[in-house]
Amino acid sequence: EAAVTQSPRNKVTVTGGNVTLSCRQTNSHNYMYWYRQDTGHGLRLIHYSYGAGNLQIGDVPDGYKATRTTQEDFFLLLELASPSQTSLYFCASSEDGDTQYFGPGTRLLVL
Amino acid sequence: GDSVTQTEGLVTLTKGLPVMLNCTYQTTYSPFLFWYVQHLNEAPKLLLKSSTDNKRTEHQGFYATLHKSSSSFHLQKSSVQLSDSALYFCALSGNNYAQGLTFGLGTRVSVFP
Repeated sequence: EAAVTQSPRNKVTVTGGNVTLSCRQTNSHNYMYWYRQDTGHGLRLIHYSYGAGNLQIGDVPDGYKATRTTQEDFFLLLELASPSQTSLYFCASSEDGDTQYFGPGTRLLVL
Repeated sequence: GDSVTQTEGLVTLTKGLPVMLNCTYQTTYSPFLFWYVQHLNEAPKLLLKSSTDNKRTEHQGFYATLHKSSSSFHLQKSSVQLSDSALYFCALSGNNYAQGLTFGLGTRVSVFP
Protein backbone atom coordinates (compact mmCIF):
# COMPACT_ATOMS: atom_id res chain seq x y z
CA GLU A 1 0.00 0.00 0.00
CA ALA A 2 1.11 3.54 -0.75
CA ALA A 3 2.98 5.29 2.04
CA VAL A 4 2.25 8.93 2.78
CA THR A 5 3.75 10.63 5.79
CA GLN A 6 3.08 14.06 7.23
CA SER A 7 4.92 16.26 9.69
CA PRO A 8 4.39 17.64 12.17
CA ARG A 9 1.46 15.62 13.46
CA ASN A 10 0.40 18.42 15.76
CA LYS A 11 1.16 22.13 15.61
CA VAL A 12 0.17 25.12 17.69
CA THR A 13 0.86 28.65 16.49
CA VAL A 14 -0.39 32.16 17.12
CA THR A 15 -2.38 34.43 14.84
CA GLY A 16 -0.03 35.90 12.25
CA GLY A 17 2.45 33.08 12.64
CA ASN A 18 4.22 31.27 9.84
CA VAL A 19 3.54 27.54 9.45
CA THR A 20 4.80 24.91 7.03
CA LEU A 21 3.18 21.50 6.80
CA SER A 22 5.17 18.76 5.10
CA CYS A 23 4.07 15.73 3.14
CA ARG A 24 6.18 12.96 1.62
CA GLN A 25 5.10 9.98 -0.45
CA THR A 26 7.47 7.19 -1.35
CA ASN A 27 5.63 5.62 -4.28
CA SER A 28 6.59 8.09 -7.01
CA HIS A 29 2.97 9.05 -7.49
CA ASN A 30 2.38 11.87 -9.92
CA TYR A 31 -0.48 13.54 -8.10
CA MET A 32 -0.46 15.03 -4.62
CA TYR A 33 -3.21 16.88 -2.78
CA TRP A 34 -3.77 18.97 0.33
CA TYR A 35 -7.18 18.82 2.04
CA ARG A 36 -8.56 20.28 5.21
CA GLN A 37 -11.18 18.52 7.29
CA ASP A 38 -13.64 20.45 9.41
CA THR A 39 -16.80 19.36 11.18
CA GLY A 40 -19.77 20.33 9.06
CA HIS A 41 -17.67 20.73 5.91
CA GLY A 42 -16.17 17.34 5.27
CA LEU A 43 -12.90 17.29 3.33
CA ARG A 44 -12.12 20.27 1.13
CA LEU A 45 -9.36 20.54 -1.47
CA ILE A 46 -6.85 23.35 -0.90
CA HIS A 47 -4.13 22.78 -3.54
CA TYR A 48 -2.89 19.94 -5.69
CA SER A 49 -0.02 19.13 -7.99
CA TYR A 50 0.60 16.99 -11.06
CA GLY A 51 4.34 16.71 -10.46
CA ALA A 52 7.47 18.47 -9.30
CA GLY A 53 7.22 22.19 -9.87
CA ASN A 54 3.53 22.03 -10.77
CA LEU A 55 0.85 23.66 -8.61
CA GLN A 56 -2.90 23.85 -9.07
CA ILE A 57 -5.49 25.74 -7.07
CA GLY A 58 -8.21 23.79 -5.31
CA ASP A 59 -11.56 24.80 -3.90
CA VAL A 60 -10.45 26.68 -0.75
CA PRO A 61 -7.01 28.16 -1.55
CA ASP A 62 -7.28 31.53 0.21
CA GLY A 63 -4.58 32.00 2.84
CA TYR A 64 -2.55 29.01 1.65
CA LYS A 65 0.45 28.54 -0.60
CA ALA A 66 1.93 25.24 -1.67
CA THR A 67 5.12 24.03 -3.25
CA ARG A 68 6.03 20.69 -4.86
CA THR A 69 9.79 20.56 -4.66
CA THR A 70 10.27 16.96 -5.79
CA GLN A 71 8.14 14.04 -6.92
CA GLU A 72 8.01 12.97 -3.27
CA ASP A 73 7.58 16.22 -1.34
CA PHE A 74 4.62 18.59 -1.17
CA PHE A 75 4.46 21.46 1.29
CA LEU A 76 1.59 23.62 2.51
CA LEU A 77 2.48 27.12 3.72
CA LEU A 78 0.45 29.40 5.93
CA GLU A 79 2.33 32.70 5.97
CA LEU A 80 -0.06 34.65 8.19
CA ALA A 81 -2.02 32.06 10.09
CA SER A 82 -5.52 32.91 11.28
CA PRO A 83 -7.83 31.12 13.75
CA SER A 84 -10.07 30.14 10.82
CA GLN A 85 -7.25 27.91 9.63
CA THR A 86 -7.45 25.76 12.73
CA SER A 87 -8.21 22.39 11.20
CA LEU A 88 -7.10 18.85 10.49
CA TYR A 89 -4.97 18.79 7.34
CA PHE A 90 -4.55 15.73 5.15
CA CYS A 91 -2.13 15.15 2.34
CA ALA A 92 -2.92 12.53 -0.29
CA SER A 93 -1.18 11.05 -3.29
CA SER A 94 -2.37 9.20 -6.36
CA GLU A 95 -0.62 7.45 -9.19
CA ASP A 96 -3.07 8.49 -11.89
CA GLY A 97 -5.60 10.68 -10.11
CA ASP A 98 -7.88 7.73 -9.38
CA THR A 99 -7.47 6.15 -5.94
CA GLN A 100 -6.03 8.57 -3.41
CA TYR A 101 -3.89 7.47 -0.47
CA PHE A 102 -4.06 9.70 2.56
CA GLY A 103 -1.42 10.53 5.13
CA PRO A 104 -2.12 10.41 8.88
CA GLY A 105 -3.02 14.10 9.11
CA THR A 106 -1.72 17.18 10.90
CA ARG A 107 -3.76 18.92 13.59
CA LEU A 108 -3.18 22.66 13.49
CA LEU A 109 -4.36 25.03 16.19
CA VAL A 110 -4.07 28.77 15.59
CA LEU A 111 -4.52 30.77 18.77
CA GLY B 1 -19.79 22.94 -9.84
CA ASP B 2 -19.75 19.37 -8.61
CA SER B 3 -21.49 18.47 -5.36
CA VAL B 4 -22.13 15.42 -3.19
CA THR B 5 -24.97 15.06 -0.71
CA GLN B 6 -25.03 12.65 2.20
CA THR B 7 -28.34 12.98 3.99
CA GLU B 8 -27.49 11.22 7.25
CA GLY B 9 -25.08 12.83 9.63
CA LEU B 10 -25.24 10.05 12.19
CA VAL B 11 -26.47 6.48 11.98
CA THR B 12 -26.65 4.36 15.11
CA LEU B 13 -27.54 0.69 14.97
CA THR B 14 -27.06 -2.66 16.63
CA LYS B 15 -24.50 -5.22 15.54
CA GLY B 16 -25.84 -7.64 12.94
CA LEU B 17 -28.37 -5.26 11.40
CA PRO B 18 -28.20 -3.99 7.81
CA VAL B 19 -27.19 -0.45 6.96
CA MET B 20 -27.59 1.85 3.98
CA LEU B 21 -25.85 5.19 3.67
CA ASN B 22 -27.25 7.55 1.08
CA CYS B 23 -25.15 9.39 -1.47
CA THR B 24 -26.37 11.51 -4.35
CA TYR B 25 -24.29 13.72 -6.57
CA GLN B 26 -24.43 16.46 -9.14
CA THR B 27 -22.02 16.86 -12.01
CA THR B 28 -22.23 17.74 -15.66
CA TYR B 29 -19.43 15.30 -16.49
CA SER B 30 -19.14 11.53 -16.52
CA PRO B 31 -18.92 10.65 -12.82
CA PHE B 32 -16.46 8.50 -10.92
CA LEU B 33 -17.77 7.78 -7.41
CA PHE B 34 -15.89 6.69 -4.31
CA TRP B 35 -16.63 5.67 -0.74
CA TYR B 36 -13.91 6.38 1.81
CA VAL B 37 -13.95 5.18 5.42
CA GLN B 38 -12.21 6.97 8.28
CA HIS B 39 -11.82 5.27 11.63
CA LEU B 40 -11.21 7.36 14.72
CA ASN B 41 -7.87 9.20 14.61
CA GLU B 42 -6.94 7.56 11.32
CA ALA B 43 -6.62 8.70 7.71
CA PRO B 44 -9.45 8.14 5.21
CA LYS B 45 -9.05 4.92 3.22
CA LEU B 46 -10.71 3.88 0.00
CA LEU B 47 -13.55 1.41 0.48
CA LEU B 48 -15.25 1.28 -2.94
CA LYS B 49 -15.15 2.99 -6.29
CA SER B 50 -17.11 2.85 -9.52
CA SER B 51 -17.66 4.59 -12.79
CA THR B 52 -19.79 1.88 -14.40
CA ASP B 53 -23.52 2.43 -14.53
CA ASN B 54 -25.74 -0.20 -12.87
CA LYS B 55 -22.86 -2.46 -11.84
CA ARG B 56 -22.54 -3.54 -8.20
CA THR B 57 -19.10 -3.18 -6.67
CA GLU B 58 -18.16 -4.91 -3.41
CA HIS B 59 -15.36 -4.83 -0.85
CA GLN B 60 -15.06 -6.08 2.72
CA GLY B 61 -18.76 -6.88 2.90
CA PHE B 62 -19.83 -3.43 1.72
CA TYR B 63 -21.42 -2.90 -1.67
CA ALA B 64 -22.72 -0.08 -3.82
CA THR B 65 -24.18 0.40 -7.28
CA LEU B 66 -23.75 3.54 -9.34
CA HIS B 67 -27.07 4.62 -10.82
CA LYS B 68 -26.54 7.47 -13.25
CA SER B 69 -30.27 7.79 -13.89
CA SER B 70 -30.83 8.83 -10.27
CA SER B 71 -27.33 10.22 -9.61
CA SER B 72 -26.89 7.91 -6.66
CA PHE B 73 -24.21 5.68 -5.15
CA HIS B 74 -25.63 4.36 -1.87
CA LEU B 75 -23.43 2.24 0.38
CA GLN B 76 -24.87 -0.91 1.94
CA LYS B 77 -23.90 -3.77 4.20
CA SER B 78 -26.13 -6.65 5.17
CA SER B 79 -24.80 -7.17 8.69
CA VAL B 80 -22.73 -4.53 10.46
CA GLN B 81 -19.97 -5.30 12.95
CA LEU B 82 -18.60 -3.27 15.84
CA SER B 83 -15.50 -2.57 13.75
CA ASP B 84 -17.65 -0.79 11.15
CA SER B 85 -18.05 2.15 13.50
CA ALA B 86 -16.41 4.97 11.55
CA LEU B 87 -16.97 8.06 9.44
CA TYR B 88 -17.96 7.31 5.84
CA PHE B 89 -17.44 9.78 3.02
CA CYS B 90 -18.91 9.66 -0.44
CA ALA B 91 -16.73 11.43 -2.99
CA LEU B 92 -17.04 12.41 -6.62
CA SER B 93 -14.60 12.94 -9.41
CA GLY B 94 -16.37 14.69 -12.23
CA ASN B 95 -14.63 16.86 -14.72
CA ASN B 96 -11.12 15.55 -14.37
CA TYR B 97 -10.39 13.04 -11.65
CA ALA B 98 -6.82 14.27 -11.37
CA GLN B 99 -8.18 17.56 -10.10
CA GLY B 100 -9.05 16.09 -6.74
CA LEU B 101 -12.24 14.82 -5.21
CA THR B 102 -15.41 16.53 -4.08
CA PHE B 103 -16.47 15.04 -0.76
CA GLY B 104 -19.81 14.85 0.96
CA LEU B 105 -20.05 15.94 4.59
CA GLY B 106 -19.76 12.37 5.80
CA THR B 107 -21.95 9.98 7.76
CA ARG B 108 -20.85 8.76 11.15
CA VAL B 109 -21.83 5.16 11.84
CA SER B 110 -21.93 3.94 15.43
CA VAL B 111 -22.52 0.24 15.96
CA PHE B 112 -23.54 -0.99 19.43
CA PRO B 113 -23.43 -4.55 20.80
